[in-house]
Amino acid sequence: DQQVKQNSPSLSVQEGRISILNCDYTNSMFDYFLWYKKYPAEGPTFLISISSIKDKNEDGRFTVFLNKSAKHLSLHIVPSQPGDSAVYFCAASDGYGGSQGNLIFGKGTKLSVKP
Amino acid sequence: DTAVSQTPKYLVTQMGNDKSIKCEQNLGHDTMYWYKQDSKKFLKIMFSYNNKELIINETVPNRFSPKSPDKAHLNLHINSLELGDSAVYFCASSQVVGDNEQFFGPGTRLTVL
Repeated sequence: DQQVKQNSPSLSVQEGRISILNCDYTNSMFDYFLWYKKYPAEGPTFLISISSIKDKNEDGRFTVFLNKSAKHLSLHIVPSQPGDSAVYFCAASDGYGGSQGNLIFGKGTKLSVKP
Repeated sequence: DTAVSQTPKYLVTQMGNDKSIKCEQNLGHDTMYWYKQDSKKFLKIMFSYNNKELIINETVPNRFSPKSPDKAHLNLHINSLELGDSAVYFCASSQVVGDNEQFFGPGTRLTVL
């Protein structure tokens, strides 16, 4: 059973517009969430994270929103750029500083930003 | 100056063979991980090691044996390879146990024929 779900396998947006990538989770024990970005033939790279005590975290063009009651988070990229084209993975864990640091990943959403 | 490196990048082998994938990190991190990304694109943790000691083993068949000679290296040895082992294997590291920000290697694409 998937504890972290990214229901859209792909998303295509125009350069300059907003990209919104969605992620849902089922485990209410998750309290730390991350987004990773992956280019072809490379490993995932950390992009942005959010703790469950917050509902928003912003870093430049990237903003992550967390809705705990809906067990939903989203990544907003604005404005989108062609270099943002990659696969984005949502990940969750049951706590920073936990004994295991086990990350549960979604299947990823492939974002294509068209010039 | 690659932070987390893996070798080889591609590995093609026959069923029944034994193979190893090497991983090294030069970040001074205490914790290292192996993940498997299967054909359905799920990225799942297999093992994690902290200071050369195993702390997570996610019900991986015992044909998979990680070995950590020192905290900068975590190698993955696979015995009696099966078709279902074909996947991309990612090594990762983090500063300490429970540090969610993990740094990933480029991956090793294993194809078992």
